[in-house]
Amino acid sequence: GAVVSQHPSWVICKSGTSVKIECRSLDFQATTMFWYRQFPKQSLMLMATSNEGSKATYEQGVEKDKFLINHASLTLSTLTVTSAHPEDSSFYICSARVAPNYGYTFGSGTRLTVV
Amino acid sequence: GQQLNQSPQSMFIQEGEDVSMNCTSSSIFNTWLWYKQDPGEGPVLLIALYKAGELTSNGRLTAQFGITRKDSFLNISASIPSDVGIYFCAVARNNAGNMLTFGGGTRLMVKP
Repeated sequence: GAVVSQHPSWVICKSGTSVKIECRSLDFQATTMFWYRQFPKQSLMLMATSNEGSKATYEQGVEKDKFLINHASLTLSTLTVTSAHPEDSSFYICSARVAPNYGYTFGSGTRLTVV
Repeated sequence: GQQLNQSPQSMFIQEGEDVSMNCTSSSIFNTWLWYKQDPGEGPVLLIALYKAGELTSNGRLTAQFGITRKDSFLNISASIPSDVGIYFCAVARNNAGNMLTFGGGTRLMVKP
């Protein structure tokens, strides 16, 4: 089946530093990937839609200069949290849609802790 | 944006009991999805519903797409300890189905 691999699974960083999270589709090509953020005991909130070869589309209220998304190939999207602050600590999850149906597959998530 | 109302927020049941949870919306959607999320993991798709009135099963799980296209329910029969987790409903946000909106989740706890 379609697999989305996300790395790292967890990361601790200092305030002010940047962190890159990778999301790879292992056995299929994904022209579109999605990045979600999930705070403890809350639901998944879509942050942005990552489009291969073009700019990402950000949801309202998500700072595009803070959450940099790059989708340079059909199998890789990256999310970089720039100048991280403790309030950015969260669980970040990527997803890709396995065409032609609505079989969205999710990565295993990245737990980011900013200290 | 669109809101999905999922209930109950949490359930604590005895092993062997049946479970029912549902999602409602004020808007019409053409696709309803049910996911399960284990702690520290990404959601895993359980059942996908594409047609109003559709009733679909996956093992002990059964889900239905409401005839009004504004709601869906998920039933789990004869619950077991490994059913513990958070269950989310989700809808495809537009006709192209490119984006998902999630319900608030139902946290299920099963007592052996």
